[in-house]
Amino acid sequence: GAVVSQHPSRVICKSGTSVKIECRSLDFQATTMFWYRQFPKQSLMLMATSNEGSKATYEQGVEKDKFLINHASLTLSTLTVTSAHPEDSSFYICSASSRDNQPQHFGDGTRLSIL
Amino acid sequence: GESVGLHLPTLSVQEGDNSIINCAYSNSASDYFIWYKQESGKGPQFIIDIRSNMDKRQGQRVTVLLNKTVKHLSLQIAATQPGDSAVYFCAENAGGTSYGKLTFGQGTILTVHP
Repeated sequence: GAVVSQHPSRVICKSGTSVKIECRSLDFQATTMFWYRQFPKQSLMLMATSNEGSKATYEQGVEKDKFLINHASLTLSTLTVTSAHPEDSSFYICSASSRDNQPQHFGDGTRLSIL
Repeated sequence: GESVGLHLPTLSVQEGDNSIINCAYSNSASDYFIWYKQESGKGPQFIIDIRSNMDKRQGQRVTVLLNKTVKHLSLQIAATQPGDSAVYFCAENAGGTSYGKLTFGQGTILTVHP
């Protein structure tokens, strides 16, 4: 079964709306989670590292005020796309791993479509 | 950043054949590698991993080979089945930990014909 759950799986909304995506580790505690963005027929690009209890670490070129990350507990990280515009339309995926040498597991992604 | 107009490499095989998917990595400091399978509309699914102190690791129907000299990784799938059709990504980590940042390769589309 899935060890990382992501919600919602699909969002369609108007330009200017803020959208929150949740990522939960189901049967382990994750001090670190990762958020990726994937365009059609392309690879995953890391956006940021979400750290429980502290600020997220963003990759170069990713606007932290645009993509707000909150990691309030050991099982939940959220990504909020603020004032979303059509160019923010993409597939957003999170991953997590427990710190016991287990591989990272991914959520099933959120398809975001901004009209 | 993203590459506009990028076309993923493709591999087409017949059901029952063996498949070999290749990946070149760039960071000589990378010491942990993973292969993921991604089906349409889903997140990547773990297949197999390998650390840099090994050059081969086997799983169920899959084998990963690592050549650190030429920075090359391959995934071999035995007796490929239609359900193996997906995009396959290699990923690398330079920190030696399974929970650290991963850098993904461009991916290969595998199509298995019945």
